[in-house]
Amino acid sequence: GNSVTQMEGPVTLSEEAFLTINCTYTATGYPSLFWYVQYPGEGLQLLLKATKADDKGSNKGFEATYRKETTSFHLEKGSVQVSDSAVYFCALRRVSGYSTLTFGKGTMLLVSP
Amino acid sequence: GAVVSQHPSWVICKSGTSVKIECRSLDFQATTMFWYRQFPKQSLMLMATSNEGSKATYEQGVEKDKFLINHASLTLSTLTVTSAHPEDSSFYICSARDNRATYNEQFFGPGTRLTVL
Repeated sequence: GNSVTQMEGPVTLSEEAFLTINCTYTATGYPSLFWYVQYPGEGLQLLLKATKADDKGSNKGFEATYRKETTSFHLEKGSVQVSDSAVYFCALRRVSGYSTLTFGKGTMLLVSP
Repeated sequence: GAVVSQHPSWVICKSGTSVKIECRSLDFQATTMFWYRQFPKQSLMLMATSNEGSKATYEQGVEKDKFLINHASLTLSTLTVTSAHPEDSSFYICSARDNRATYNEQFFGPGTRLTVL
């Protein structure tokens, strides 16, 4: 079946540090891959996505590249801000068929000034 | 962009009572909506898929008689937690699939915090 594995948090960084949150997946076929962000007390917001191998999704300084050979979709940002503190979820969705989202467990990011 | 609202944003109720949560797509039509449950510091667990005009499809282990889902229109789905107990306390999040969007993208509501005393 489909599954998503994320690095466990919390990830604690100082402002302007480089961020990497690892995500690997297991899926049949060629899924679409997503990163969602959840700020405290709120629902999920789509941060970025990639729909095929070698695609790079980017938004708000975050980026992730769909690596089929390593089945990974690691999230990166060159310089984090305090306002980036949130929980980040990696997710996949099969392109065809009954395409529900499968989420990882989420990684909490805490950025200090 | 597509907006999904939930009402209420939080609710506190007594054990044994029923609570209804609404999920609305504000600026698009959604044939399909999803209901998730999120425990503290954990991922989202899909509870059920709600299809307009038909019965919801529940995930394994989710009690359909306890979590009643109605999707009466293309912009509204409701989740009713019947005879709520403290173990039902959780954060409930809905999402709606935009019929028009490429790849049938899902948009998430802000969530409803349910506390059962």
